[in-house]
Amino acid sequence: QVQLVESGGGLVKPGGSLRLSCAASGFTFSDYYMSWIRQAPGKGLEWVSYISGDSTNTYYADSVKGRFTISRDNAKNSVYLQMNSLRAEDTAMYYCARAAGELDYWGQGTLVTVSS
Amino acid sequence: DVVMTQSPLSLPVTLGQPASISCRSSQSLVYSDGNTYLSWFQQRPGQSPRRLIYKVSNRDSGVPDRFSGSGSGTDFTLKISRVEAEDVGVYYCMQGTHWPQYTFGQGTKLEIK
Repeated sequence: QVQLVESGGGLVKPGGSLRLSCAASGFTFSDYYMSWIRQAPGKGLEWVSYISGDSTNTYYADSVKGRFTISRDNAKNSVYLQMNSLRAEDTAMYYCARAAGELDYWGQGTLVTVSS
Repeated sequence: DVVMTQSPLSLPVTLGQPASISCRSSQSLVYSDGNTYLSWFQQRPGQSPRRLIYKVSNRDSGVPDRFSGSGSGTDFTLKISRVEAEDVGVYYCMQGTHWPQYTFGQGTKLEIK
């Protein structure tokens, strides 16, 4: 069955960096776009970024453009989110999701806290 | 950007009674391929979101048939025919038509009266 497992979250100071990982299994990873979505504590869902199966196309929400970079390694069935210049407002649970037209499978999330 | 507006934001429901959530988009969600990429997600307390409905009215595998989706263009509805205790949580609509900018509704919190 499809499984997505995020890791890499933690506490980081404003201006710092963090790299999130999402390990996928149960499907042909390279056939699918993948996406990151976040949810600030007690708030709704916000789409963050999106990458095509062959990595040729990447997209970002305006709120993270220029600071976050999405990438993937199809040999490792993994997608990553490099987050630089982190701000307090980036504090959130970060989910990866398979983007089969719509977001059909989600991981359990990894928590990122940006605080001094 | 496409704005998704849900109502109500809070929905107290008696067990066994029906529930209905509305979702309206600021632009038509009909894609150039003729499909309408409107999904509904359920987020139970402490859990990650789970997709219930895709392309307006298609139930995901394992989703009880008491959940149904309908609508077209800019107006969509999620209905639960008889609410059960396990349905407590927050429900989100999401548009995937105007990709890659997926946008979500604000969420509707369903609770048992």
